[in-house]
Amino acid sequence: AQSVTQPDIHITVSEGASLELRCNYSYGATPYLFWYVQSPGQGLQLLLKYFSGDTLVQGIKGFEAEFKRSQSSFNLRKPSVHWSDAAEYFCAVGAGASPGTALIFGKGTTLSVSS
Amino acid sequence: ETGVTQTPRHLVMGMTNKKSLKCEQHLGHNAMYWYKQSAKKPLELMFVYNFKEQTENNSVPSRFSPECPNSSHLFLHLHTLQPEDSALYLCASSPEGEGAPLHFGNGTRLTVT
Repeated sequence: AQSVTQPDIHITVSEGASLELRCNYSYGATPYLFWYVQSPGQGLQLLLKYFSGDTLVQGIKGFEAEFKRSQSSFNLRKPSVHWSDAAEYFCAVGAGASPGTALIFGKGTTLSVSS
Repeated sequence: ETGVTQTPRHLVMGMTNKKSLKCEQHLGHNAMYWYKQSAKKPLELMFVYNFKEQTENNSVPSRFSPECPNSSHLFLHLHTLQPEDSALYLCASSPEGEGAPLHFGNGTRLTVT
């Protein structure tokens, strides 16, 4: 069965510092991988996705993620964090071959940004 | 504007009430979903509809009843809920294609008293 693990429940980063959020997945084949962000009182917004090809994917808001098959990881990175990046971040895995096959989400990592 | 609109944003209901949550998407997607988001728990998939047909019911109690009259609208009818049903209920939609990403609404914050 598919599963997603986000080992860090809460991370605090200084504004301007770099960020890496960890995500490990379990799936028998190459999965579809996603990172979403959720601000308080809002729904989830897609940051980026990996389907195939280049293992380093670029997303919105200056985020990027790297797929490492050997480590079953898909870590999210940002070189310089802004205060507005404080939010909850979710990694998700999907293997659907047709619409309607839903994603499996991790428990999320809450990012706090200190000044 | 997310393209997926949920109403109401907040709802407080007693355990004997009947209420409905509404979701509408203007993205031309064919699949729609209900997720439950509780504190300190992963998002829980509740229901999936594809071309108006329910394709997944993730062992959800019968006090939650979904309805999908067309590909643009999705409802979640609620009756005789329990306090543990208090959560953020998120609607999402997705287009055709393998691994298509979900597009979420802003959710309905439900409190059961």
